[in-house]
Amino acid sequence: SQQGEEDPQALSIQEGENATMNCSYKTSINNLQWYRQNSGRGLVHLILIRSNEREKHSGRLRVTLDTSKKSSSLLITASRAADTASYFCATGVYILTGGGNKLTFGTGTQLKVEL
Amino acid sequence: GAVVSQHPSWVICKSGTSVKIECRSLDFQATTMFWYRQFPKQSLMLMATSNEGSKATYEQGVEKDKFLINHASLTLSTLTVTSAHPEDSSFYICSASGARLPTNEKLFFGSGTQLSVL
Repeated sequence: SQQGEEDPQALSIQEGENATMNCSYKTSINNLQWYRQNSGRGLVHLILIRSNEREKHSGRLRVTLDTSKKSSSLLITASRAADTASYFCATGVYILTGGGNKLTFGTGTQLKVEL
Repeated sequence: GAVVSQHPSWVICKSGTSVKIECRSLDFQATTMFWYRQFPKQSLMLMATSNEGSKATYEQGVEKDKFLINHASLTLSTLTVTSAHPEDSSFYICSASGARLPTNEKLFFGSGTQLSVL
């Protein structure tokens, strides 16, 4: 079942504008991550924020996490046409056996950045 | 960063045949591997979690006998779709996670396998 729901489902903006995507989830988490997927390809990790963190930056990316509201947002500043892709949030829970982080993905936002 | 290789990238097969998909971690030990399924323009649905040397843990609704997962070594996991049918056509993606930082938090994904069953 889906842990996270993202909105909007689709977003179309002009190059240079900022893009904001939101993610809500239902259960307790250890961390929340954002991934990017180009059509028909694997996923690429963008940024991870732990449950005790509120905000994190990486280049043109800014992620916030509000555990009281069980929500997160991803901001891409000064967007480029190459940012066109699907973006997924994923909530992570640590696995005791064998280590690792079990991720449950949200529904995704399809971002289109036009020239 | 860590690299995960998935093979094949795409496969077309006849109904009733079995298809094996391989997932290899190339530069780290993947103590845990995850197999996902994705339908067009939809999210990734976790099918199963596998730990090296032990049986896979399947998500609710996923048929164990249909989707056989083997995690025989710390660098290789395989997913076999047995007696494939057209409804099994989908994009299958594997991901790997290590036991220690930095590979135990974020997942490293293979490039996916597009399965088409005729």
